[in-house]
Amino acid sequence: EAQVTQNPRYLITVTGKKLTVTCSQNMNHEYMSWYRQDPGLGLRQIYYSMNVEVTDKGDVPEGYKVSRKEKRNFPLILESPSPNQTSLYFCASSSSSGIYNEQFFGPGTRLTVL
Amino acid sequence: AQSVTQLDSQVPVFEEAPVELRCNYSSSVSVYLFWYVQYPNQGLQLLLKYLSGSTLVKGINGFEAEFNKSQTSFHLRKPSVHISDTAEYFCAVSVRPNRDDKIIFGKGTRLHILP
Repeated sequence: EAQVTQNPRYLITVTGKKLTVTCSQNMNHEYMSWYRQDPGLGLRQIYYSMNVEVTDKGDVPEGYKVSRKEKRNFPLILESPSPNQTSLYFCASSSSSGIYNEQFFGPGTRLTVL
Repeated sequence: AQSVTQLDSQVPVFEEAPVELRCNYSSSVSVYLFWYVQYPNQGLQLLLKYLSGSTLVKGINGFEAEFNKSQTSFHLRKPSVHISDTAEYFCAVSVRPNRDDKIIFGKGTRLHILP
């Protein structure tokens, strides 16, 4: 089954404790992206990647890092989480250029930073 | 800078009544337009998209949208809604300034279906 998986689905952590949210897709997609969803603000793009070893900042990259060492994986790293990073996070992927094609979304990761 | 405005944060509508969810965008370059739906506790999924050609686009679940370049709008419509349409709907715009892909989402419209 074609899908985007994220782990963990739920995470409660404390300020400053480094964490990684994994994202993996099995559709051989080149384009992958991370979003955060906050009430009243919709989805905002954090980082995106157009291919392996190619990443770029979205609209809200501060406090986040990403890497794309393999085509299927696109982990989101919070080196020193803060309470304002409490949010619902979505990973998405699409074939070739992300701007023409449907994005497939993962189920989301709900992160709480205390 | 590109932006997407969804004019209504919430829309209540009676079951079997028609609905229109409004979306306006601003961009100085060519755009590609999408509507996504998010059912409760799920990720987003594509309803429909406009890339080029006919300005009336039909999507899944009986939804359709019309691209209006002069009004920079891409409103979503359904002639008769069902309780299962209860969800949040997001309009999205893709642009390609400087060869970088950027996808911008609106803030979402929550559709409430009243029995």
